[in-house]
Amino acid sequence: EDQVTQSPEALRLQEGESSSLNCSYTVSGLRGLFWYRQDPGKGPEFLFTLYSAGEEKEKERLKATLTKKESFLHITAPKPEDSATYLCAVQAWNNNDMRFGAGTRLTVKP
Amino acid sequence: DTGVSQDPRHKITKRGQNVTFRCDPISEHNRLYWYRQTLGQGPEFLTYFQNEAQLEKSRLLSDRFSAERPKGSFSTLEIQRTEQGDSAMYLCASSLPGGYYGYTFGSGTRLTVV
Repeated sequence: EDQVTQSPEALRLQEGESSSLNCSYTVSGLRGLFWYRQDPGKGPEFLFTLYSAGEEKEKERLKATLTKKESFLHITAPKPEDSATYLCAVQAWNNNDMRFGAGTRLTVKP
Repeated sequence: DTGVSQDPRHKITKRGQNVTFRCDPISEHNRLYWYRQTLGQGPEFLTYFQNEAQLEKSRLLSDRFSAERPKGSFSTLEIQRTEQGDSAMYLCASSLPGGYYGYTFGSGTRLTVV
């Protein structure tokens, strides 16, 4: 069965303090790995899709990377507005839906 | 296009009552998904439509849950005889064929069963 584990559960950073979030996965044939941002009381907002090991995607202060077993979301010099829950999800070739992890709750203090 | 719309945003109901939620997807998206999310957890898949056809349902979806997507446009999710364990955020998402570019989620309907 497809599984997604995210760590840490929660992360508190000072503004400007770079760090990484981890997403470990097992899937029977990866079609794609997805990162989403979710603010309280709102639906997840799409950030990136990664398709194959070695792939990297960047958007502003965020950079996502992918290996055969895990993905990292690197946050460079974060700002308070980056505070949110970051969700990782995988989609297998034999599935039409995504399996989500529980997320990492990021707080960036000014 | 204003994205995926869900209605209502909040619903409080008494145990045993029936509730219905509506989702209006992005017009160009032929795929529509329903997910459920509880506090501190990621979204959990419930069911999926391609156009008007319901192609997949989670094994976790009890017989009290039913979803429709008439004419392949908006969708409704009905929960009959609600239980306290049904309290959650119900999220709708839509995507282009294949979902390769990610799903666009609505803001969800928060259900509280008292």
